[in-house]
Amino acid sequence: DAGVTQSPTHLIKTRGQQVTLRCSPKSGHDTVSWYQQALGQGPQFIFQYYEEEERQRGNFPDRFSGHQFPNYSSELNVNALLLGDSALYLCASSLGVEGTQYFGPGTRLLVL
Amino acid sequence: GEDVEQSLFLSVREGDSSVINCTYTDSSSTYLYWYKQEPGAGLQLLTYIFSNMDMKQDQRLTVLLNKKDKHLSLRIADTQTGDSAIYFCAAGTNAGKSTFGDGTTLTVKP
Repeated sequence: DAGVTQSPTHLIKTRGQQVTLRCSPKSGHDTVSWYQQALGQGPQFIFQYYEEEERQRGNFPDRFSGHQFPNYSSELNVNALLLGDSALYLCASSLGVEGTQYFGPGTRLLVL
Repeated sequence: GEDVEQSLFLSVREGDSSVINCTYTDSSSTYLYWYKQEPGAGLQLLTYIFSNMDMKQDQRLTVLLNKKDKHLSLRIADTQTGDSAIYFCAAGTNAGKSTFGDGTTLTVKP
């Protein structure tokens, strides 16, 4: 039974560029949430996708957008990258929006 | 908004019990979680408790919830060196959003 998978594992970008991160949920899960974890801090909620729609959003600017596909996988897009966007981006999946969230290994993004 | 607070560091000797504490502010939190994060890795769900419970035991882990004081604790019995990691407390609502603390770094000394 595959857990949550994310790609790529690491990524280096420069300021102003755009990035797309990908997540495949745990088998049987239909909901995907994205979190940003800056160094030395806890994860911060970005948004949640269910039935291919954004259901909830945290305090992140519109530069952060996402998508969920019919197979429940998801993408996180960040435009106009800033140095402060450097972080570990975590994807979590659950069965339904209220379900217990299981996390992937994350994508470490470095913006230079 | 919701705020979750944890002490930053805890150091124990191998074989002792570890107790990690957490407080949260949102009384509508329905799920309280404990996650473990090892260096360079994602979050591993350790255990969780519903807000209508006051205790949950799972092998070496015991979670205590004082809903009145909005205080959550995680006790690890017989702590081993492999338990050294960062432990995150998270409070979740029915809407599915979880708010995390900044983590407690547990160091287990042989």
